[in-house]
Amino acid sequence: QKEVEQDPGPLSVPEGAIVSLNCTYSNSAFQYFMWYRQYSRKGPELLMYTYSSGNKEDGRFTAQVDKSSKYISLFIRDSQPSDSATYLCAMRSDQGAQKLVFGQGTRLTINP
Amino acid sequence: DTAVSQTPKYLVTQMGNDKSIKCEQNLGHDTMYWYKQDSKKFLKIMFSYNNKELIINETVPNRFSPKSPDKAHLNLHINSLELGDSAVYFCASSSYAEAFFGQGTRLTVV
Repeated sequence: QKEVEQDPGPLSVPEGAIVSLNCTYSNSAFQYFMWYRQYSRKGPELLMYTYSSGNKEDGRFTAQVDKSSKYISLFIRDSQPSDSATYLCAMRSDQGAQKLVFGQGTRLTINP
Repeated sequence: DTAVSQTPKYLVTQMGNDKSIKCEQNLGHDTMYWYKQDSKKFLKIMFSYNNKELIINETVPNRFSPKSPDKAHLNLHINSLELGDSAVYFCASSSYAEAFFGQGTRLTVV
């Protein structure tokens, strides 16, 4: 079993829809949770960063962490074609070596 | 001003050759990484350095040798390249939690 599970998709939605992306994890020591966006042939770009449980909002993006269920989500409101990319969740603990563990990434397409 | 920069962006080489990828960060971070991304987009850590000291080595073949001359630079040297080494290699640096990535080096071994 992988430490971080993420449905690779692909996921295709119409412009303006609310998008929900999710990851589950098995390591209860994870405390830092991140979402990255990766456009084709580019490096991962940090979108959202959350420490421990809770919600965080930044513009059209909302990140949620539920540590009791070992489940994290990223919501995109009013989705735009420019949001089409691969979204990767990543997480790490606050102990030991600083290793970010990634999900497989979900490929998202927003259709005009 | 690019925060994490790596060179070259593309690298095509023959099996058996030795090649290096260079990485530099200007964020003042203490920790740097090399990640490998396979054809299915899965990012897997290879190495991590903290203040020039190796802290993570994830069962990578010893043909891969990282070198950190100072905390702003982390280079990756690969000996005797194999077809299976073809992938995109990303350098990253981090503060305590967030990591910032370079644009990647697409390595193709023919």
